[in-house]
Amino acid sequence: GIQVEQSPPDLILQEGANSTLRCNFSDSVNNLQWFHQNPWGQLINLFYIPSGTKQNGRLSATTVATERYSLLYISSSQTTDSGVYFCAVGLYGNNRLAFGKGNQVVVIP
Amino acid sequence: SAVISQKPSRDICQRGTSLTIQCQVDSQVTMMFWYRQQPGQSLTLIATANQGSEATYESGFVIDKFPISRPNLTFSTLTVSNMSPEDSSIYLCSVEDRTSGRGDTQYFGPGTRLTVL
Repeated sequence: GIQVEQSPPDLILQEGANSTLRCNFSDSVNNLQWFHQNPWGQLINLFYIPSGTKQNGRLSATTVATERYSLLYISSSQTTDSGVYFCAVGLYGNNRLAFGKGNQVVVIP
Repeated sequence: SAVISQKPSRDICQRGTSLTIQCQVDSQVTMMFWYRQQPGQSLTLIATANQGSEATYESGFVIDKFPISRPNLTFSTLTVSNMSPEDSSIYLCSVEDRTSGRGDTQYFGPGTRLTVL
């Protein structure tokens, strides 16, 4: 099956710092989504981004489908950004998502 | 976006028993998905549930262990049968929302935290 690798696995940030999370995938995809799982376990969809660039407040994401990677940028991080960020991809003609192992982010005040 | 609720939110069960988890959506959706998240791990898809047809299970998951019902377009259940401590996980349902204009975006319920003793 498709492989999804996320890096770095763990990240500690000082509040106000910027960071970049990376997702590499092993096959062509028609669906790529970024999720944030807060410390209480709730998964929030951040971006649906199979290609191109999107921005939502302090978060932005870029997917370069031809090179099989996606990046999630967090700017001016806040303690509420803490949690696990998951990248998930879907194959062409297939609605099922394969998740990476996640990026554990801790933002300290 | 779709609003999804799950019941129960958490439970502690004895080995050998079964637990049925309910997932309710506030709008009609074609596809619903059930995932498992073992402690400290990522999400693994158990099965895809479409209304009016048998659920489609992923490799490593079987209907006898995880029977699924999908009686209508807003509701689904997942049963974890003959439980063992290895079944201790968070179970999440999700739906695909194509009405949001954001493509095949998936939204997740709050999850059911299951502990098996």
